[in-house]
Amino acid sequence: GENVEQHPSTLSVQEGDSAVIKCTYSDSASNYFPWYKQELGKRPQLIIDIRSNVGEKKDQRIAVTLNKTAKHFSLHITETQPEDSAVYFCAASKPYSSASKIIFGSGTRLSIRP
Amino acid sequence: DTGVSQDPRHKITKRGQNVTFRCDPISEHNRLYWYRQTLGQGPEFLTYFQNEAQLEKSRLLSDRFSAERPKGSFSTLEIQRTEQGDSAMYLCASSLGGAGDNEQFFGPGTRLTVL
Repeated sequence: GENVEQHPSTLSVQEGDSAVIKCTYSDSASNYFPWYKQELGKRPQLIIDIRSNVGEKKDQRIAVTLNKTAKHFSLHITETQPEDSAVYFCAASKPYSSASKIIFGSGTRLSIRP
Repeated sequence: DTGVSQDPRHKITKRGQNVTFRCDPISEHNRLYWYRQTLGQGPEFLTYFQNEAQLEKSRLLSDRFSAERPKGSFSTLEIQRTEQGDSAMYLCASSLGGAGDNEQFFGPGTRLTVL
């Protein structure tokens, strides 16, 4: 069935260093890959997304890469700051189909050490 | 607030009781989704509406669960004969749908505790 694997489950980095979270997906028809950030007790919020016709996308300190052949995608956060501490979810979707649900990974708890 | 809203935010019930949750999507959004999130896990898809039509239901959605979106605006999710395993955060999301606009906006969730 449809599945998204995410690792690591926890990640601790020194403030100012980079953080990388990696995901794989099983459904080759997936063509939209959002990343959500969820702070404790709050709703998931989209931080960046990438479509299958693009290999890389960057927004300030955040970048995502997508390898469709390998069905891998990654989130890169540079110059990490304390406010980056949260749980991050990768996800895959087929929004142009009638099956437009999001399949989420299991999450990465990112902690930024001061 | 023009975002997705959910009511109630918290619900405590006894096992065997029925509960109903409401979701109000962003007004122009025609797609509405329900997800369930347990502690330490990512949200899991439950069901999805395009306008008033329920287009997909997860196998997670047992026959004790029912969802409606009667006029294509707000939606309700009812759980009958609640079980302790139903304790979770129930999240609603909406999206505009259509070409190029895929972002799902999430509501604050309803936290259900079944005693």
